[in-house]
Amino acid sequence: DAKTTQPPSMDCAEGRAANLPCNHSTISGNEYVYWYRQIHSQGPQYIIHGLKNNETNEMASLIITEDRKSSTLILPHATLRDTAVYYCIVRPFTGANSKLTFGKGITLSVRP
Amino acid sequence: DTGVSQDPRHKITKRGQNVTFRCDPISEHNRLYWYRQTLGQGPEFLTYFQNEAQLEKSRLLSDRFSAERPKGSFSTLEIQRTEQGDSAMYLCASSRGGPGELFFGEGSRLTVL
Repeated sequence: DAKTTQPPSMDCAEGRAANLPCNHSTISGNEYVYWYRQIHSQGPQYIIHGLKNNETNEMASLIITEDRKSSTLILPHATLRDTAVYYCIVRPFTGANSKLTFGKGITLSVRP
Repeated sequence: DTGVSQDPRHKITKRGQNVTFRCDPISEHNRLYWYRQTLGQGPEFLTYFQNEAQLEKSRLLSDRFSAERPKGSFSTLEIQRTEQGDSAMYLCASSRGGPGELFFGEGSRLTVL
């Protein structure tokens, strides 16, 4: 079972920041937080991951709370092409078990 | 980096027939994963290989399902005696291992009539 909780959907206006929340209150010390997204009829696409520090790349920023029980994915300037299902996943970084366990994700709709 | 390739992209078959999907991972990725996704749901883990060894199988992988990865390169997923409930998108992903990200293919969509 997925160890994360996300709202089912949200929307934002094109050009504005999209802040996608995720709760992972049972996260373990050896687990990273990963974000993937899936645009309709395509395979999931990696966005970003982090352990405890905030992370930023060309796609997004990941803000992890100090207690690591929740995080927020930030798309700084959402475009219509960012409309997708976004999955927040926790995954151990050690050991043989390296699979990703997906929940239902959050559907982001970017409106013009 | 040519990405993860899956074939065929679409397959329509009649109930009771066997189908086989192929996945070509990113070269030098030693880990390969199969997932299944039905409408409105997130991808569900089926099985995972490290090189040619199948290290984990989900309980979703019934006896009618078999996956192989000979020589640790491409992988095949075979479904025998297909049922309508097998209709889904079958996704393949590969990774280098460790905390690195999984790269997914575009999937193979199966429709069982």
